[in-house]
Amino acid sequence: AQSVTQPDARVTVSEGASLQLRCKYSYSGTPYLFWYVQYPRQGLQLLLKYYSGDPVVQGVNGFEAEFSKSNSSFHLRKASVHWSDSAVYFCVLSANSGTYQRFGTGTKLQVVP
Amino acid sequence: GGIITQTPKFLIGQEGQKLTLKCQQNFNHDTMYWYRQDSGKGLRLIYYSITENDLQKGDLSEGYDASREKKSSFSLTVTSAQKNEMAVFLCASSIMDRDAEQFFGPGTRLTVL
Repeated sequence: AQSVTQPDARVTVSEGASLQLRCKYSYSGTPYLFWYVQYPRQGLQLLLKYYSGDPVVQGVNGFEAEFSKSNSSFHLRKASVHWSDSAVYFCVLSANSGTYQRFGTGTKLQVVP
Repeated sequence: GGIITQTPKFLIGQEGQKLTLKCQQNFNHDTMYWYRQDSGKGLRLIYYSITENDLQKGDLSEGYDASREKKSSFSLTVTSAQKNEMAVFLCASSIMDRDAEQFFGPGTRLTVL
């Protein structure tokens, strides 16, 4: 069975501070992992994805994520957040056996002044 | 670029009513998806289709029917709306690769009175 866990439903950070949003996955094979973002009143957009190679992948708007096979994790990071980063972030797993991707429950990020 | 259009934007129904949601994409993508988004539960896959006239059940297919009569369109029917149900239904499309980015529509917001 495959699953994705985002343990933090809400995260609040100050503008300019660093950010880490956590994602843990459960899958015995080689995972393909994604982060999507849903800005207020907008559709979901892909931030970044990982399927092989360098475990640190770069995405749009200064986001990056690090894959760890030993920890079954794919945490999202940003060095300095801006108020416009306030959104809901979804971690997503694509397993080998299925043709569809599994979404985590999402983390709502609020950036405060 | 392309676009995904979902109609209607807002749908209000009565308990027990059959309701149909429509999705159109002009990406020429093979695969299309219907998700349900509830607060705090992330996105749950209802149905997906890997090609015209194909239908595959997702994790939440009970209570729904789907139809893919053309490559560009994918419809979802709520077979019997549940009282006080509120959710957003998202349509997405992608090419048929495991690492493929999904492109999302703006959603249909369902309210059942």
